[in-house]
Amino acid sequence: AQKITQTQPGMFVQEKEAVTLDCTYDTSDPSYGLFWYKQPSSGEMIFLIYQGSYDQQNATEGRYSLNFQKARKSANLVISASQLGDSAMYFCAMREEGNTDKLIFGTGTRLQVFP
Amino acid sequence: GAGVSQTPSNKVTEKGKYVELRCDPISGHTALYWYRQSLGQGPEFLIYFQGTGAADDSGLPNDRFFAVRPEGSVSTLKIQRTERGDSAVYLCASSSGTGGGFDNEQFFGPGTRLTVL
Repeated sequence: AQKITQTQPGMFVQEKEAVTLDCTYDTSDPSYGLFWYKQPSSGEMIFLIYQGSYDQQNATEGRYSLNFQKARKSANLVISASQLGDSAMYFCAMREEGNTDKLIFGTGTRLQVFP
Repeated sequence: GAGVSQTPSNKVTEKGKYVELRCDPISGHTALYWYRQSLGQGPEFLIYFQGTGAADDSGLPNDRFFAVRPEGSVSTLKIQRTERGDSAVYLCASSSGTGGGFDNEQFFGPGTRLTVL
């Protein structure tokens, strides 16, 4: 069963606008962590933001925020004030308690920011 | 240069050959991970080291794949009798691995692009 689902293979957004990248997950574990990574064309995975399953507040890191809806098992990434440099692949990932420290990734969303 | 480094950046080999991919983690990081990223996919977990030992090798696809980390720092991923289906980007990541904290961020290297002809 797919543990992380990213249903948007590609998204377009105009510079300075906000964009939401969708992520849903599947786990029966009560304790888990959710991550978003950015992968530019250079190939390196860049950590953006983390949300713990027990966190009461939605995570925020600068222009990135995570819209965490636990009951719906969704963890959407919101990028505000998009910049041309935000064009990249974005991956949602999950780590489950008791599942060592491995990350389970979705298939990614390619974001393109246009002027 | 305090990040994770991987060598070579690109490797082209012929079907049936043996290859070694190297990962230098961030100094002091006890946890090291290998992932494989096929074209158009997200990274898939291969193996995880805590110190010198493989704590979880459940992602290795078959016995042609093997990884070592003899001194708890540098790791080598070894692939025997390579097949065309092994072509992918192999990513290495490290973390402080203190355990218990889900926010142990994994820092990724730039990857090694393996092409098997």
